[in-house]
Amino acid sequence: DTGVSQDPRHKITKRGQNVTFRCDPISEHNRLYWYRQTLGQGPEFLTYFQNEAQLEKSRLLSDRFSAERPKGSFSTLEIQRTEQGDSAMYLCASSLLLASAEKLFFGSGTQLSVL
Amino acid sequence: AQTVTQSQPEMSVQEAETVTLSCTYDTSESDYYLFWYKQPPSRQMILVIRQEAYKQQNATENRFSVNFQKAAKSFSLKISDSQLGDAAMYFCAYRAGANSKLTFGKGITLSVRP
Repeated sequence: DTGVSQDPRHKITKRGQNVTFRCDPISEHNRLYWYRQTLGQGPEFLTYFQNEAQLEKSRLLSDRFSAERPKGSFSTLEIQRTEQGDSAMYLCASSLLLASAEKLFFGSGTQLSVL
Repeated sequence: AQTVTQSQPEMSVQEAETVTLSCTYDTSESDYYLFWYKQPPSRQMILVIRQEAYKQQNATENRFSVNFQKAAKSFSLKISDSQLGDAAMYFCAYRAGANSKLTFGKGITLSVRP
């Protein structure tokens, strides 16, 4: 068990470009979450999956954002036509839901800079 | 809507001393969970301690304990015998029992003086 892995750790892109981030959860974890964290703020919920089903999306997740979790394993978060306001750290977390005793394990995040 | 407020942006503590980090929250739910997470420079969020709202007893994990005041909607974290490795950002977080997403506060930067 190597923990939650996110790739890349850093991404610099030009405004208008598309970017894709990957998250590999802890194996056998059935839930996977995406959060966004801007400087000086706490993480904000974006979306989460239970297995391959996307169960909830925040209103923060505009139509330029799309997330997938094919086969209930790794997940990707794509941002189309990036804007400077998309610059943030994107955190992934996974958990194994056991009744109410859900403990989230976070990855180290992908830092996105949009120039 | 649930909100989590951490009004202190920074705190400093002398090594081996005790420090308390404050957090208040607002909710109309009766079933919920409260958490403190630590985010060191490596950026990885690490769960420090968790409290179920239905439990009256304050949670404790080694040097970390909470003061959960349900009526006042207050959830403070006490760190005893502070160590240099405790220096990090600390986030208070809330989760409604029937929901899965966490709502975080803005965080507090804790520095530990040797």
